[in-house]
Amino acid sequence: DTEVTQTPKHLVMGMTNKKSLKCEQHMGHRAMYWYKQKAKKPPELMFVYSYEKLSINESVPSRFSPECPNSSLLNLHLHALQPEDSALYLCASSQGLRDEQYFGPGTRLTVT
Amino acid sequence: ILNVEQSPQSLHVQEGDSTNFTCSFPSSNFYALHWYRWETAKSPEALFVMTLNGDEKKKGRISATLNTKEGYSYLYIKGSQPEDSATYLCAFKSGTYKYIFGTGTRLKVLA
Repeated sequence: DTEVTQTPKHLVMGMTNKKSLKCEQHMGHRAMYWYKQKAKKPPELMFVYSYEKLSINESVPSRFSPECPNSSLLNLHLHALQPEDSALYLCASSQGLRDEQYFGPGTRLTVT
Repeated sequence: ILNVEQSPQSLHVQEGDSTNFTCSFPSSNFYALHWYRWETAKSPEALFVMTLNGDEKKKGRISATLNTKEGYSYLYIKGSQPEDSATYLCAFKSGTYKYIFGTGTRLKVLA
């Protein structure tokens, strides 16, 4: 299984809502990543987990809260988002931090 | 600030045409250059991982070359087909965990 899955595919939320994005992989990868992509821009790294521990936070606002409950799962908890947070959120995983990353299809988030 | 540029931004070709696009990246502190193919609403699909200066890789009708000294990689598609329509992304990796992505080349192959 070389797939990274993400749910939901689409999410619309208000600025006062709390929601979560989910990412799953069963390739035994020990590194997992969250990226954000705005229209016509390259994906930008948000967070990196290595061996279920947060390794990197690329100065992401605290209204985004990542969680890695086990080696196969990565969540992104969302609270009090702003309309400018509307974007495609991509999850990726890799064997190690220097290895090729495998991507999920993304969650298209709209904040109203 | 590390910059990765791709050109052209978008491209329309006729079925059967061959085409190529460019990824430019910093020539210092090079670790790897990745090419991905990304169709709308699907996961980016890894095409090539290139690590050595002068690398040439091929997968069917698609091939890529790498020049780390001058900081560029070319992706070639021979005999384009409508199913090749996608965004082609390159991602530069220095000696760290981090990918720096280009903005992509959007290819449309017209039947």
